[in-house]
Amino acid sequence: DGGITQSPKYLFRKEGQNVTLSCEQNLNHDAMYWYRQDPGQGLRLIYYSQIVNDFQKGDIAEGYSVSREKKESFPLTVTSAQKNPTAFYLCASSIGGTSYNEQFFGPGTRLTVL
Amino acid sequence: GQNIDQPTEMTATEGAIVQINCTYQTSGFNGLFWYQQHAGEAPTFLSYNVLDGLEEKGRFSSFLSRSKGYSYLLLKELQMKDSASYLCALPMNRDDKIIFGKGTRLHILP
Repeated sequence: DGGITQSPKYLFRKEGQNVTLSCEQNLNHDAMYWYRQDPGQGLRLIYYSQIVNDFQKGDIAEGYSVSREKKESFPLTVTSAQKNPTAFYLCASSIGGTSYNEQFFGPGTRLTVL
Repeated sequence: GQNIDQPTEMTATEGAIVQINCTYQTSGFNGLFWYQQHAGEAPTFLSYNVLDGLEEKGRFSSFLSRSKGYSYLLLKELQMKDSASYLCALPMNRDDKIIFGKGTRLHILP
């Protein structure tokens, strides 16, 4: 079965700790994305990558970092510099090439920082 | 720049019809997406409109007017499982980015 997986579904961390969220896809998609969603809010783009070994900042990249060493994987690190990290994080992928392509989403990780 | 406006919440009755509107401003139009998102779950694709007019897909239809910067999603024969948020989104022409609206939360009453 092709799809996108994110793990874990729920994650708890203490304030001041860095945490890395996993995102893996076996759809052979070139483009991958990370979004953040807060209650009652739409999706806000954190980082995106159109090809391996390249990525761009989205609208709210401060306090986050990513890597794209493999086509299948796009992990997101939430650093201690992120002032309000508690949120629902969604990873997505698309065939790439243009923005007209449908994005496929993973199930999300709900991060709570205590 | 880009801007997307949708109503925050709507309520409808099971079996009825509801229309969710989306107005937008963008410097370059590349089509418009509608996604459905159930609470706590991932968004799923519903439709993509690039030409004016109505596109029907089962109980769901999506309409686009490029000259008016306006789209709507029409849901017929509402079912309780249609209770969800509906996100309007614009693809950007420079790269692979999509800009999402804040979504409309639809409540279905029995």
